[in-house]
Amino acid sequence: QKEVEQNSGPLSVPEGAIASLNCTYSDRVSQSFFWYRQYSGKSPELIMSIYSNGDKEDGRFTAQLNKASQYVSLLIRDSQPSDSATYLCAVLSGGSNYKLTFGKGTLLTVNP
Amino acid sequence: GAGVSQSPSNKVTEKGKDVELRCDPISGHTALYWYRQSLGQGLEFLIYFQGNSAPDKSGLPSDRFSAERTGGSVSTLTIQRTQQEDSAVYLCASSLHIGGNYGYTFGSGTRLTVV
Repeated sequence: QKEVEQNSGPLSVPEGAIASLNCTYSDRVSQSFFWYRQYSGKSPELIMSIYSNGDKEDGRFTAQLNKASQYVSLLIRDSQPSDSATYLCAVLSGGSNYKLTFGKGTLLTVNP
Repeated sequence: GAGVSQSPSNKVTEKGKDVELRCDPISGHTALYWYRQSLGQGLEFLIYFQGNSAPDKSGLPSDRFSAERTGGSVSTLTIQRTQQEDSAVYLCASSLHIGGNYGYTFGSGTRLTVV
């Protein structure tokens, strides 16, 4: 059973701080990794993807991947109240398993 | 279309009735996925379609659930003899190609309530 684990939170940070969201996965042959943001009552939206070890930056968001440790993270710099949402980690396994496996998500609250 | 369209947005049905949920993917997206999300739970994979290949039905929870995709475009998820535990938000997503390397685009979902 391929698993994706996230701390359910809630993670509470003050406005302007860095929010750090973490995710571990069990399938060593996983090849692609995604972060989705889901506002309450809404559907998930893709915010970041990462495929190689290291960091990938996009605006205030940085995704970090360490395949040896089976660990992926999302950093949100200068957090804003509008960043308050549930963040879902998703992993695409290798081989012929073409579906994404999602973690249960981490609820982030950014306090003004 | 510009996005993934799902209908109805809300459905209340009596236990034991059949329901059909519809998904219209983004034009040109060859892969289509169905997930469901129960309150406070993560996304549970149900089924995916890729072009004319046989669908991966490995996530369907019982034989009361079925899905089809006609003409490589619109998909319908059917739940027969609904039970209260079927209550959830059913999300459809599409992707440019299978494998998800382009990420999925989700529809707004169908909230199913079985009473």
